[in-house]
Amino acid sequence: GAGVSQTPSNKVTEKGKYVELRCDPISGHTALYWYRQSLGQGPEFLIYFQGTGAADDSGLPNDRFFAVRPEGSVSTLKIQRTERGDSAVYLCASSILGENRYNEQFFGPGTRLTVL
Amino acid sequence: AQSVTQLGSHVSVSEGALVLLRCNYSSSVPPYLFWYVQYPNQGLQLLLKYTSAATLVKGINGFEAEFKKSETSFHLTKPSAHMSDAAEYFCAVSHEDSNYQLIWGAGTKLIIKP
Repeated sequence: GAGVSQTPSNKVTEKGKYVELRCDPISGHTALYWYRQSLGQGPEFLIYFQGTGAADDSGLPNDRFFAVRPEGSVSTLKIQRTERGDSAVYLCASSILGENRYNEQFFGPGTRLTVL
Repeated sequence: AQSVTQLGSHVSVSEGALVLLRCNYSSSVPPYLFWYVQYPNQGLQLLLKYTSAATLVKGINGFEAEFKKSETSFHLTKPSAHMSDAAEYFCAVSHEDSNYQLIWGAGTKLIIKP
């Protein structure tokens, strides 16, 4: 079956611009996560959705970052007034939370964001 | 608070040699533990997971890991390295009290020498 997909795969933008990154989770997965991965580091948690609502957005670095999941499936990560420090690979993952009581997350290939 | 430490940002082994990638965690309650692999220009792929069943966990591609509570470790091993194992490996921990967020180590890049 189809895995998690992310678009675009690469995004180059100029400092100060607005960008949107899209994530299509695996069909039927209720939980969706966004992470940011900088070079040489592990992924850093940004935000977690359970259904349509953001259950935990404690990882968003500041108010320039926002994410939505209006219908409980596709999610969009939005970054306003981009800064060079926002350059990273943005990863999306989805999972089923239920009886298994553990969280196997399935990852997309990521969007590489470069802010010039 | 939970944290994960991976010793060694780079590990180099010869083809056919034992692979040992170290992971130590800190958690106030029994965690769930994971190893993910990331091949160049690809997404993260689950290698194996520990979910409080057997302490020795077998994963894909011949890898296995052993949960040792007394040592708070979850080291990843493979008896004989193959060139195709060259990748970056991440250890992660999660717990239901933290909304199942994955807390990640910094990763270890495995280099295979011919």
